[in-house]
Amino acid sequence: GAVVSQHPSRVICKSGTSVKIECRSLDFQATTMFWYRQFPKQSLMLMATSNEGSKATYEQGVEKDKFLINHASLTLSTLTVTSAHPEDSSFYICSATGQGPSYEQYFGPGTRLTVT
Amino acid sequence: AQSVTQLDSQVPVFEEAPVELRCNYSSSVSVYLFWYVQYPNQGLQLLLKYLSGSTLVKGINGFEAEFNKSQTSFHLRKPSVHISDTAEYFCAVRLGVGGKSTFGDGTTLTVKP
Repeated sequence: GAVVSQHPSRVICKSGTSVKIECRSLDFQATTMFWYRQFPKQSLMLMATSNEGSKATYEQGVEKDKFLINHASLTLSTLTVTSAHPEDSSFYICSATGQGPSYEQYFGPGTRLTVT
Repeated sequence: AQSVTQLDSQVPVFEEAPVELRCNYSSSVSVYLFWYVQYPNQGLQLLLKYLSGSTLVKGINGFEAEFNKSQTSFHLRKPSVHISDTAEYFCAVRLGVGGKSTFGDGTTLTVKP
């Protein structure tokens, strides 16, 4: 199956700093990428949907100025958490869909963000 | 809008016993249905999916699920579980190509020796 990678897998940053998480589709072109947030023992919460070359669509309640999403190419999307606070600590997962009829959504391995 | 309800938050079961993880959904239009497994600190791995056709879907690791349109259910089953099946399981629905997924709250399957 198709592979989606995330970098870094774990990151610790200080409160007030910004951190960037990369999501890459390694062997297919991702026309759409999704960013999820997952709190411990909870389900995935969709934050935003991004299509290559256009602005991301954010879900209700997600601050677009705090969670900056860029989908500059068909293989790369980035999520930047700006001015991070301890409550932003979470597990962030990206997923990607490509072209074709499979309707499959491929998930990255996730990034554990800890804000101290 | 669609929604997903996983009826059991935790399912403990002994090794080699059968298991069923229940999932119900609601949607005003046809949806595609998925089951995913998540191991600690990892992303999601697709177990199986229903797009169309036969209502009994077979997936990886010996899992299968049955789509029941009248009951709007998509329950996941395995006839004999292993310790290694201990994980979090998520049911999800999607509206179509490129559509966003809506996930259930997850079911923690714990297989005991």
